Amino acid sequence: GEQVEQRPPHLSVREGDSAFITCTYTDPNSYYFFWYKQEPGASLQLLMKVFSSTEINEGQGFTVLLNKKDKRLSLNLTAAHPGDSAAYFCAVRAGNYAQGLTFGLGTRVSVFP
Amino acid sequence: DAGVTQTPRHEVAEKGQTIILKCEPVSGHNDLFWYRQTKIQGLELLSYFRSKSLMEDGGAFKDRFKAEMLNSSFSTLKIQPTEPKDSAVYLCASSPGRGAEQFFGPGTRLTVL
Repeated sequence: GEQVEQRPPHLSVREGDSAFITCTYTDPNSYYFFWYKQEPGASLQLLMKVFSSTEINEGQGFTVLLNKKDKRLSLNLTAAHPGDSAAYFCAVRAGNYAQGLTFGLGTRVSVFP
Repeated sequence: DAGVTQTPRHEVAEKGQTIILKCEPVSGHNDLFWYRQTKIQGLELLSYFRSKSLMEDGGAFKDRFKAEMLNSSFSTLKIQPTEPKDSAVYLCASSPGRGAEQFFGPGTRLTVL
């Protein structure tokens, strides 16, 4: 089955700097990609959904890159601020959506002044 | 609109007990998922229902874990008998279906003594 490796497990960045998180997956049939944010004590909140056909997706304060050739999904938090301190999870789903999501183990991001 | 609701929010059980966790998905969503979240294993899929039909039942969890969807607006996850290693946060999520994102509930934190 699908396996997702997420790195790094922990990331500490200064406010205003970038934070870069990468996930690699194994199933070439993966078609839907998601990034979720989880603040301490809270549930998962969708950050962005990425379709297989789009390589670069921009959100508020972050960019998501998808490289299907290398089977790599990346999240870049640009100009990080304290509100970005949270755990971030990538998730992957096959195109036939016959299975649930396969998640990475998460990256705990801490933004310090 | 109400999001995914889960009850109880916290549960403490003695080893060997039977516990039932409850979930109400977002109204109109066709897909329902149960996940277990631990720091070591991350998020693991327990069960996946599509239009009340069981699509995926996590192989490692079959013997003591049973999820049911009695109607489109209610699901339960039964753990019988509980073991200390079952201590985790149990998350329920729902989705409109196909490639849409999953909306997560607040979770139930289970502690098994």
